Amino acid sequence: NAGVTQTPKFQVLKTGQSMTLQCAQDMNHEYMSWYRQDPGMGLRLIHYSVGAGITDQGEVPNGYNVSRSTTEDFPLRLLSAAPSQTSVYFCASSFSGTFTDTQYFGPGTRLTVL
Amino acid sequence: AQSVTQLGSHVSVSEGALVLLRCNYSSSVPPYLFWYVQYPNQGLQLLLKYTTGATLVKGINGFEAEFKKSETSFHLTKPSAHMSDAAEYFCAVSLNAGNNRKLIWGLGTSLAVNP
Repeated sequence: NAGVTQTPKFQVLKTGQSMTLQCAQDMNHEYMSWYRQDPGMGLRLIHYSVGAGITDQGEVPNGYNVSRSTTEDFPLRLLSAAPSQTSVYFCASSFSGTFTDTQYFGPGTRLTVL
Repeated sequence: AQSVTQLGSHVSVSEGALVLLRCNYSSSVPPYLFWYVQYPNQGLQLLLKYTTGATLVKGINGFEAEFKKSETSFHLTKPSAHMSDAAEYFCAVSLNAGNNRKLIWGLGTSLAVNP
């Protein structure tokens, strides 16, 4: 198993550009989520999905879109990048939506918005 | 409101010394508790978790944590630190009440291990 994979590992954008961060898992997990990690702020949930076709907002969803057309993939779209979106982004998955499950994290995408 | 507090954003120990990383939570319902570790330039991985049953939980790499309901704590310990333990450690609380599907994360503690 590859686990949770994320691409790209690094990305530099200019303000106003759009892009998609890719996330895939091969563990047949129903639950997937996106976090951003910023110094001194820990992990903040952006969006999550409890299964194909079902998504919901986390605590910091503004400026981001998600979709879940398959169980395996959960891309995160930045609609119009802003310097405030400079961060490290992590995708995570777990077997189900219950949070006794272990979260499996991808290696992260380091995004810089100029 | 539920919250997680990790006391000490930076902890430094000598190799071979005891590691103690503190986590306190506030919750009105029985919590599920997790410790995750993040090595440099990597994603997070589970160290250990408490769901039900025995309050002393053993995890990977010699770490363990004890759930103390009366103190609302879930401190992480390791008897003897190794250089490879240098990492960021996150405590998290999960409250599986109704439709609440959020993990509440602490801000993390950076552990440095000195030779």
